[in-house]
Amino acid sequence: DTAVSQTPKYLVTQMGNDKSIKCEQNLGHDTMYWYKQDSKKFLKIMFSYNNKELIINETVPNRFSPKSPDKAHLNLHINSLELGDSAVYFCASSQDPGLAGEGETQYFGPGTRLLVL
Amino acid sequence: DQQVKQNSPSLSVQEGRISILNCDYTNSMFDYFLWYKKYPAEGPTFLISISSIKDKNEDGRFTVFLNKSAKHLSLHIVPSQPGDSAVYFCAASAASNQFYFGTGTSLTVIP
Repeated sequence: DTAVSQTPKYLVTQMGNDKSIKCEQNLGHDTMYWYKQDSKKFLKIMFSYNNKELIINETVPNRFSPKSPDKAHLNLHINSLELGDSAVYFCASSQDPGLAGEGETQYFGPGTRLLVL
Repeated sequence: DQQVKQNSPSLSVQEGRISILNCDYTNSMFDYFLWYKKYPAEGPTFLISISSIKDKNEDGRFTVFLNKSAKHLSLHIVPSQPGDSAVYFCAASAASNQFYFGTGTSLTVIP
């Protein structure tokens, strides 16, 4: 069973197009994330949703809009794609933090490789 | 501003020897640290973690050491196996769901 799945795995598109990446988790987690891995392999958080509500929104262009129809899904819609959007996008999920001082393990999806031409 | 740094982009080790992967951080509020392992074309998978109340955590061949005064953690793999060849990311958090990742170290274990 795939815990965190993303579709599509590969996405090649032209500049200016609008595209969506879907993420689903079957772990029963309350929190989901989107990360962008840039060409230098740095994983940067973009958004975090807890129980369908946005809790983290890092400095990301408003062309990127996350949508969480339910706890198990967090989709990423990107308008007017630009060359610099080319990257690998990872979805992840976790339960809420438990004890103070303890973080939560995050389970990552396989990544979606986006190439904007 | 990168709060978690892995200064060695790559590391090669002979099979059976010890692999030591290093990670430095700048934020003294970080209190939970993790190591992820990533194979090509796959998402990172959780490997081992450590809370700031400890200075060592061991799981089989993997041991993570935390030096809070130096803001440094390391992952030891012994003995190293060819299947350990992957990219290893360290990550840190400060009592929140937000994790800061390093850029990864590519480990190659030579048979």
